[in-house]
Amino acid sequence: AQTVTQSQPEMSVQEAETVTLSCTYDTSESDYYLFWYKQPPSRQMILVIRQEAYKQQNATENRFSVNFQKAAKSFSLKISDSQLGDAAMYFCAYRSASNNNDMRFGAGTRLTVKP
Amino acid sequence: ETGVTQSPTHLIKTRGQQVTLRCSSQSGHNTVSWYQQALGQGPQFIFQYYREEENGRGNFPPRFSGLQFPNYSSELNVNALELDDSALYLCASSSRTDSGNTIYFGEGSWLTVV
Repeated sequence: AQTVTQSQPEMSVQEAETVTLSCTYDTSESDYYLFWYKQPPSRQMILVIRQEAYKQQNATENRFSVNFQKAAKSFSLKISDSQLGDAAMYFCAYRSASNNNDMRFGAGTRLTVKP
Repeated sequence: ETGVTQSPTHLIKTRGQQVTLRCSSQSGHNTVSWYQQALGQGPQFIFQYYREEENGRGNFPPRFSGLQFPNYSSELNVNALELDDSALYLCASSSRTDSGNTIYFGEGSWLTVV
């Protein structure tokens, strides 16, 4: 079974600085999708960025980028120029391409942004 | 705003009671999934509905059941509520035509069982 591990329960960053959130996963599949979701205090899960495993190029969305290392099964999220609004829980998630019934989530990393 | 709406937003039930949670999927999305998120944890997959039929289930007992309607909206029913059922219940919709099958979440329904 696929598992997702986020080893950093909490992280903090100074406003305007850069922070990297770590995620590793375990799977025997070769084709899958990886996601980072943000969950602010409102509790709604918001998609931050998505990566297809068959793509070698790392996904980028404005200030958010990933470092996808398929062989190492690592999928970290880099937030550049951190803003106060980035403070939230961040969840890494895995979804199989062949069995897309469910998405597996990590336990989350709570990000604090200091002014 | 994702277009996925859930109701009610908060509710309190007594152990042993039954509860129904509702979800309207994003326009154009034909697949609805339900997740349970206990406090301090990531969401756990309950089940998914596609074309009004259950299309995959996580490790949840049969007292968790659901429905999907022709307009793709969905219900989650939980019978014989237990204290451990207290959690945020998230509905998510997606489209099979989206190659990445990205799912979009609603704001959730907070259930407290006392």
